[in-house]
Amino acid sequence: AQSVAQPEDQVNVAEGNPLTVKCTYSVSGNPYLFWYVQYPNRGLQFLLKYITGDNLVKGSYGFEAEFNKSQTSFHLKKPSALVSDSALYFCAVRDRGSTLGRLYFGRGTQLTVWP
Amino acid sequence: EAGVAQSPRYKIIEKRQSVAFWCNPISGHATLYWYQQILGQGPKLLIQFQNNGVVDDSQLPKDRFSAERLKGVDSTLKIQPAKLEDSAVYLCASSSHRGRGYDEQYFGPGTRLTVT
Repeated sequence: AQSVAQPEDQVNVAEGNPLTVKCTYSVSGNPYLFWYVQYPNRGLQFLLKYITGDNLVKGSYGFEAEFNKSQTSFHLKKPSALVSDSALYFCAVRDRGSTLGRLYFGRGTQLTVWP
Repeated sequence: EAGVAQSPRYKIIEKRQSVAFWCNPISGHATLYWYQQILGQGPKLLIQFQNNGVVDDSQLPKDRFSAERLKGVDSTLKIQPAKLEDSAVYLCASSSHRGRGYDEQYFGPGTRLTVT
């Protein structure tokens, strides 16, 4: 069975400080990993993905994520948070061996960046 | 490039009534997805189409939910009859999905359904 865990419902950081949003996953095979962001009353927007190769993936708006196979984690990071980064963040996983390509999402983490 | 379009944006119905949602994916995207997002949870896949064929509908409550994708473009998701627990945001997404599992999905703004 495939699953995604986002252990923190809420993350609060001050503007200018680094931020981390945690994600761990469970898949039967090797994963494709994704981060999406959701702003109020809007659909999800793609941020970044891990396919293969370099464990550090860079994405939109200065975000990056680090794939750690031994810890089955894919934490989202940003060196300096902005108030405009405040949103709901979802981690998602797909088993690359699956022909159906179903994407499994975590519950989401609400990021609040205060001025 | 136009994004994924959905309508209506909001819908309020009483239980046992029926409702339909419409989705127009990004032009040229072969794969279309319908998700249900209950408050406080991540999106859950209801059904996935490849062109106009169903690839995965294992999580679709087929006794009340139905979906179709005419001519491999637009899609409609219907609920009949609705239950209180169907209150959620229904998201449509599309991807080019050229047989690559790592293609990202593009989401519409969603339809917020409230069943009273």
